[in-house]
Amino acid sequence: AQTVTQSQPEMSVQEAETVTLSCTYDTSENNYYLFWYKQPPSRQMILVIRQEAYKQQNATENRFSVNFQKAAKSFSLKISDSQLGDTAMYFCAFMRRNAGNMLTFGGGTRLMVKP
Amino acid sequence: SAVISQKPSRDICQRGTSLTIQCQVDSQVTMMFWYRQQPGQSLTLIATANQGSEATYESGFVIDKFPISRPNLTFSTLTVSNMSPEDSSIYLCSVVVSGLPGEQYFGPGTRLTVT
Repeated sequence: AQTVTQSQPEMSVQEAETVTLSCTYDTSENNYYLFWYKQPPSRQMILVIRQEAYKQQNATENRFSVNFQKAAKSFSLKISDSQLGDTAMYFCAFMRRNAGNMLTFGGGTRLMVKP
Repeated sequence: SAVISQKPSRDICQRGTSLTIQCQVDSQVTMMFWYRQQPGQSLTLIATANQGSEATYESGFVIDKFPISRPNLTFSTLTVSNMSPEDSSIYLCSVVVSGLPGEQYFGPGTRLTVT
């Protein structure tokens, strides 16, 4: 079974600064995907970024980027130029390849962006 | 992408009663899931809703407690039966739309409080 651990229950950052959210996972699989999902206070969960394990290049989506360290089983999310709208719960998630799209979520990190 | 609605958005129920939650998608989707998110916690997968057949339940969840229907490719219901205060949670449905693995779109959730 896979486990996903987010060691930072809460974090805060000043507007326009950069913050990094940590995620580690445990798996014996070699082919898998990793994701960061965002859940704003309105509750609608949205996908922020995805990473395929076989790709060495770190994924980026505008101000969001990841640092994927496969050997260390680490998958951190960096948010640059933080905005007030980035305030949300962030969930790291794992999915085995060919696993019927079933996600395993970490415990979440509550991020507060301060003006 | 997909637009997902859930009804009701919230409810307060008496213990021992049942509540049926509806999930409607604006397009046909192959896969639908139901999650539970207990207060301040992460998401736990309850089951995969299969069109035309019985849902596939995760460990710790049973059909008698959480019966699920999926009569077509755009609609599903989750019933929380014989409720107790421990069932107080947010219940979310999600769908897979595209061929991108793991990219799930989530409904806004149903906040259930059992008294």
